[in-house]
Amino acid sequence: GAVVSQHPSWVICKSGTSVKIECRSLDFQATTMFWYRQFPKQSLMLMATSNEGSKATYEQGVEKDKFLINHASLTLSTLTVTSAHPEDSSFYICSARDFKTSGGTDTQYFGPGTRLTVL
Amino acid sequence: GQQLNQSPQSMFIQEGEDVSMNCTSSSIFNTWLWYKQDPGEGPVLLIALYKAGELTSNGRLTAQFGITRKDSFLNISASIPSDVGIYFCAGQNYGGSQGNLIFGKGTKLSVKP
Repeated sequence: GAVVSQHPSWVICKSGTSVKIECRSLDFQATTMFWYRQFPKQSLMLMATSNEGSKATYEQGVEKDKFLINHASLTLSTLTVTSAHPEDSSFYICSARDFKTSGGTDTQYFGPGTRLTVL
Repeated sequence: GQQLNQSPQSMFIQEGEDVSMNCTSSSIFNTWLWYKQDPGEGPVLLIALYKAGELTSNGRLTAQFGITRKDSFLNISASIPSDVGIYFCAGQNYGGSQGNLIFGKGTKLSVKP
């Protein structure tokens, strides 16, 4: 299957600093990538949809100035958590959309996640 | 908005037993996806279903896309300890401008050796 990587896999930072997380589709091009947040023992919560070459679409309640998304190429999207605070500590997961019009398939492949801890 | 009901929430089974879990929706999807998530990792795609009525297998896993397009089930036969994890169903409408997934709340599977 298709491979999506995420970097870093974990990060610990001080309150007030910014943290950048990268999401890459390694063997396919993804015009659309998604960023999720997952709390312990819960399902994935969609934060935003990242479209290559255009502005991200944020879900209701997600601050766009707090969670900056850049999708500069067909294989890379970045999420920057600005001025991080302890309540931003969470597991952040990206996915990349593999949309094949010829095959009639539309599948999302997930990265391994990034554990963010803000002290 | 669309919501998925996934059941059961958790299962405790003996190694070798078969497992069945399902998802139902209040509205139709044209794609159903089943993922497995291990602790501290991202979800891994198990099976993707694209046609109503479709029955697809992946090793010991079998999933079906309900004929009404509002439900799907996943079966695991002859469970083994490494099947432990959380299984998520997800519905999606093919194409469209975004392709957002709607997730179920997950089924936590525990397997006793």
